[in-house]
Amino acid sequence: AQKVTQAQTEISVVEKEDVTLDCVYETRDTTYYLFWYKQPPSGELVFLIRRNSFDEQNEISGRYSWNFQKSTSSFNFTITASQVVDSAVYFCALISISGGYNKLIFGAGTRLAVHP
Amino acid sequence: NAGVTQTPKFQVLKTGQSMTLQCAQDMNHEYMSWYRQDPGMGLRLIHYSVGAGITDQGEVPNGYNVSRSTTEDFPLRLLSAAPSQTSVYFCASTPGQGYNEQFFGPGTRLTVL
Repeated sequence: AQKVTQAQTEISVVEKEDVTLDCVYETRDTTYYLFWYKQPPSGELVFLIRRNSFDEQNEISGRYSWNFQKSTSSFNFTITASQVVDSAVYFCALISISGGYNKLIFGAGTRLAVHP
Repeated sequence: NAGVTQTPKFQVLKTGQSMTLQCAQDMNHEYMSWYRQDPGMGLRLIHYSVGAGITDQGEVPNGYNVSRSTTEDFPLRLLSAAPSQTSVYFCASTPGQGYNEQFFGPGTRLTVL
């Protein structure tokens, strides 16, 4: 079975704090892809990153960074020096070969509130 | 490019009514899909299509029908609306298979009374 768990339902921080959003996934496949999407208050879904299971390098994009650890089945997302514009719901998602690469499984999401 | 468009943005139905949510993309993407988003549950896949004439079920297909007669359009039909279908519906498309970045439409907020 495939599953994505985002245990943090809501996180509240003050601007300029660093914050890490946790994502734990389950799959029996060795080939899979992990994603993060952002859903700001306006409601659209914005793609942030895709990582395949063979690439465990961490990724940094500006204030955003991602830590992929196969040993713990985690793909955590860190925002450094958070800003009010980072307030959104963030979704982690998984797609794998056993689903024919056609069934994207989302976590329940983490709502991040960044206060001035 | 308009990307992925969805109509309507909002809809209120009465139990038992039927309707079609429209989705179109102008990026010539092969793969299209429909999700529903409910509070605390993330997005769940309803149906998907890997090309014109080919559709398949996702995680929560009951009560919904789809067809894909063209590459551009992927409508979602609610046959007999139920209050449990109150949700926000998102259409998405991607080139190739679903493991590529999926481009989402703006969503349709549906309320069934």
